[in-house]
Amino acid sequence: EAQVTQNPRYLITVTGKKLTVTCSQNMNHEYMSWYRQDPGLGLRQIYYSMNVEVTDKGDVPEGYKVSRKEKRNFPLILESPSPNQTSLYFCASSFGDRPEKLFFGSGTQLSVL
Amino acid sequence: AQSVSQHNHHVILSEAASLELGCNYSYGGTVNLFWYVQYPGQHLQLLLKYFSGDPLVKGIKGFEAEFIKSKFSFNLRKPSVQWSDTAEYFCAVKSGGAQKLVFGQGTRLTINP
Repeated sequence: EAQVTQNPRYLITVTGKKLTVTCSQNMNHEYMSWYRQDPGLGLRQIYYSMNVEVTDKGDVPEGYKVSRKEKRNFPLILESPSPNQTSLYFCASSFGDRPEKLFFGSGTQLSVL
Repeated sequence: AQSVSQHNHHVILSEAASLELGCNYSYGGTVNLFWYVQYPGQHLQLLLKYFSGDPLVKGIKGFEAEFIKSKFSFNLRKPSVQWSDTAEYFCAVKSGGAQKLVFGQGTRLTINP
């Protein structure tokens, strides 16, 4: 089954404690992206990757890092989480940069205390 | 900077009522337009898209949207809503050549049986 898998589904952490949210897709997609969803703000892009070892900033990259060492994986790293990073995070992937073909993961609800 | 506005934050309707959700964007060039739907607890799914041609596009589940270039709008419509349409709806725009999909703030739709 084609899917984008995010882990964990829910995460509660404390300020400053490094964490990683994993994202994996099994469709051999080149394009992967991370979004955060906040009430009243919709989805905002954090980082995206056009292919292995090719990443670029989205609209709200501050406080986040990503890596794309393998085609299937695109982890989101918060080196020193802060409460303003409490949000619902979505990973998505597609063949090329094609929004109409984006597959979204089920989301990760992160709370930073 | 490119932006997308959805003016209705929360819409409450009864079953069988007609629906229209507003979406306006700020970019003046060639655009690709999308509506996504997020059912409770689920990930985003594409509802419909507009690239070119007939400005009235039809999507899944009886939804349609009309692109009005002069008004920079892409409103979503459905003649008769059902309880199962309860969800959050996001308008999104991708400008020609850009690698970024910009989302609106989202509209929460509640359908009362």
